[in-house]
Amino acid sequence: RKEVEQDPGPFNVPEGATVAFNCTYSNSASQSFFWYRQDCRKEPKLLMSVYSSGNEDGRFTAQLNRASQYISLLIRDSKLSDSATYLCVVFSGGYNKLIFGAGTRLAVHP
Amino acid sequence: EAQVTQNPRYLITVTGKKLTVTCSQNMNHEYMSWYRQDPGLGLRQIYYSMNVEVTDKGDVPEGYKVSRKEKRNFPLILESPSPNQTSLYFCASSSRLADTQYFGPGTRLTVL
Repeated sequence: RKEVEQDPGPFNVPEGATVAFNCTYSNSASQSFFWYRQDCRKEPKLLMSVYSSGNEDGRFTAQLNRASQYISLLIRDSKLSDSATYLCVVFSGGYNKLIFGAGTRLAVHP
Repeated sequence: EAQVTQNPRYLITVTGKKLTVTCSQNMNHEYMSWYRQDPGLGLRQIYYSMNVEVTDKGDVPEGYKVSRKEKRNFPLILESPSPNQTSLYFCASSSRLADTQYFGPGTRLTVL
């Protein structure tokens, strides 16, 4: 089993749609969680950190479920510019390790 | 402007010809790392460095070397490249491992 698993997609959605991605992690001792965005052939960039209480940044909402060991990313009112690959990243302090998921590809069409 | 730079951005080489990919950051970050990205596998860590003269293996270190003689630079060395090292390579830096990772623009390497 991979340490961090994501549905690779692609998720093809029309503009204005709401789309949600999930990411599961295997290490229950994981401490910090992030979503990164990666445009085609470009470097990953931090989209948002994921806090225990959940957090929102504009159209983006991230949530953490420690009991079920998954994090989620919700994108509302999708824009063409949201088309990208979204990487789930988990930090395990016990192993002093940052683990990247393989990413979920989102394609927003007109 | 805060940034991580990598050079070269693209490289085609042949098996066995030693090469170095440079990485430099101007944010005074202590933590630097190298990743390779392959389709379906995500980013896998090759080596990392917690500070000057402190380096350690990541998940896929075989065939690679690194050095950290200065805080800002963290070159990746392939002593004898092989075709299975064909990949997209990213350098990253951060204040601490659990902090935001700042990535360089990537180096696309092809080994024939």
